[in-house]
Amino acid sequence: EIVLTQSPGTLSLSPGERATLSCRASQSVSSSYLAWYQQKPGQAPRLLIYGASSRATGIPDRFSGSGSGTDFTLTISRLEPEDFAVYYCQQFGSSPLFTFGPGTKVDIK
Amino acid sequence: QVQLQESGPGLVRPSETLSLTCAVSGGSISSDYWSWIRQPPGKGLEWIGYIFYTGSTNINPSVKSRVTLSVDTSKKHFSLDLSSVTAADTAVYYCARLKIRGGNFDSWGQGTLVTVSS
Repeated sequence: EIVLTQSPGTLSLSPGERATLSCRASQSVSSSYLAWYQQKPGQAPRLLIYGASSRATGIPDRFSGSGSGTDFTLTISRLEPEDFAVYYCQQFGSSPLFTFGPGTKVDIK
Repeated sequence: QVQLQESGPGLVRPSETLSLTCAVSGGSISSDYWSWIRQPPGKGLEWIGYIFYTGSTNINPSVKSRVTLSVDTSKKHFSLDLSSVTAADTAVYYCARLKIRGGNFDSWGQGTLVTVSS
């Protein structure tokens, strides 16, 4: 099983600042199959990034993804008030077919 | 744009079977893969399994012995049965559309909380 580790657990930032979130895999993950989601309290997750770096439909360009192999990054260039949420990475390809990281909470400093 | 809506009991007794249905609207159920994902209160996400409209399934080994997935294309819905539930199965259950070529979940239902308690 591929285990995804996310860091930091919590990121305290101010609006307008840059957020850098890390997702590390216990084994190599195909870049084609690494995704990022945003979840706000009481809501379902929303797909942000797929294929490690492609933005999903309607996602603002302040969100970007990068990385390969075992190290992936989600960057929010300038935090907007609506960006404070929990972010999960997810991989596809190893049994179990889909696993999620434990999440990074981005909260207001 | 496809929309998903979960339905089912909010309370299930221990050892019984949890049954949920997900209604698909705004798109064809026969063109995609459909999945169940759960989230215990305050915790992370766990993929349960997926089903194709043909009835083909793939289920997480952690729950495989207890899970049955089914699909009814005429009613445009798919379903989850989880047997022999315990308190550890208490979670918000989401249905989602799986884009198998990219291995991601691009549309989600709002989720339904199922509590296992006597």
